[in-house]
Amino acid sequence: SAVISQKPSKDICQRGTSLTIQCQVDSQVTMMFWYRQQPGQSLTLIATANQGSEATYESGFVIDKFPISRPNLTFSTLTVSNMSPEDSSIYLCSARTSGRGDEQFFGPGTRLTVL
Amino acid sequence: SQQGEEDPQALSIQEGENATMNCSYKTSINNLQWYRQNSGRGLVHLILIRSNEREKHSGRLRVTLDTSKKSSSLLITASRAADTASYFCATALTGGFKTIFGAGTRLFVKA
Repeated sequence: SAVISQKPSKDICQRGTSLTIQCQVDSQVTMMFWYRQQPGQSLTLIATANQGSEATYESGFVIDKFPISRPNLTFSTLTVSNMSPEDSSIYLCSARTSGRGDEQFFGPGTRLTVL
Repeated sequence: SQQGEEDPQALSIQEGENATMNCSYKTSINNLQWYRQNSGRGLVHLILIRSNEREKHSGRLRVTLDTSKKSSSLLITASRAADTASYFCATALTGGFKTIFGAGTRLFVKA
């Protein structure tokens, strides 16, 4: 299994600002993902973070709003840009060690509140 | 969009009773995973069942998978108050790499 840490664990931000969330995995992983969980809801996939290339975004999510980096096999960042109160959510980093058939693990999440 | 639908949406039982949660999905999958989430916290991975498996056990957990019906169930036996949480099924789609979550079941176990 992989142990995933995220920073910050929570933040309160002003409208119009941006926040970058960091995700660190304790071992090399094949796949990394970013999810959003709005209050009382399930998880929605934002994008797949690809190492050394542009992330693959799901419908409804765009790079300008959620730029993602993945410079190596253990680290990724998600930026929430030009925030509005509707961006208030928990953002979760996730990783899969290898292949399509393996378990997928999650970080503890970053709780974002936008005022 | 979410792949899975779970029922019930909420379940309240007495400690010691069994809890059964169901998950249905729409497309072919490589595997299906169940997670637990305590209020406001991260997800805990419970069990993974592959598309060629029909049943798996882990402690008090029993998971079944019926690919012909595109459904899975999670049974928690002899429930405890500490089992109170939200439970999610998540499907890894065939031919892809992403995992899609169901809406979740909120379980409340009364002591």
